[in-house]
Amino acid sequence: ETGVTQTPRHLVMGMTNKKSLKCEQHLGHNAMYWYKQSAKKPLELMFVYSLEERVENNSVPSRFSPECPNSSHLFLHLHTLQPEDSALYLCASSQERGYANEQFFGPGTRLTVL
Amino acid sequence: GQQLNQSPQSMFIQEGEDVSMNCTSSSIFNTWLWYKQDPGEGPVLLIALYKAGELTSNGRLTAQFGITRKDSFLNISASIPSDVGIYFCAGPKSNTGKLIFGQGTTLQVKP
Repeated sequence: ETGVTQTPRHLVMGMTNKKSLKCEQHLGHNAMYWYKQSAKKPLELMFVYSLEERVENNSVPSRFSPECPNSSHLFLHLHTLQPEDSALYLCASSQERGYANEQFFGPGTRLTVL
Repeated sequence: GQQLNQSPQSMFIQEGEDVSMNCTSSSIFNTWLWYKQDPGEGPVLLIALYKAGELTSNGRLTAQFGITRKDSFLNISASIPSDVGIYFCAGPKSNTGKLIFGQGTTLQVKP
């Protein structure tokens, strides 16, 4: 595998389900990110991890819970979601969390909440 | 706060035509990134710009970092059907690691 991979690519869940999204980067980067992309809206940053430490949480509801067990893996745990949470969830990584941080994205998980 | 405004919002062109799009902000950026997103996929980095006035090419794509540091331009020459997608500009917010994205320019190419 190369670059940034995400699984699953598609997920349909009910509002009472618990599921997890997985991201893995094969680039040797130290920073990882979760974004939400809804139709007709710019990408919204959700969480930033640098060297496995969460450094930013952009007022994301607690029904989204990130986990970064090591610098290569990032998870987003989902529980009691709402239909408006349906979106494309993108993971990204960069060498460092810094100024000229070129971020590389995974293919995303298309989430539908029924 | 910092915002990036892209124009046009969408373009429908004939194959072979050249394309220009831009990204502007009321704030200064020290880096400009241009991404392309195909349907159902994540954004792919096309060009990164780090210096005011810098002009960088990647195949048929050319991007420029505006002198004022408040804008950037992306040109695509001799468009082909696979150029279809959404093009995003992005810039980092200070040293937080947070990338701010424009709303995107949707490009459609008619064969």
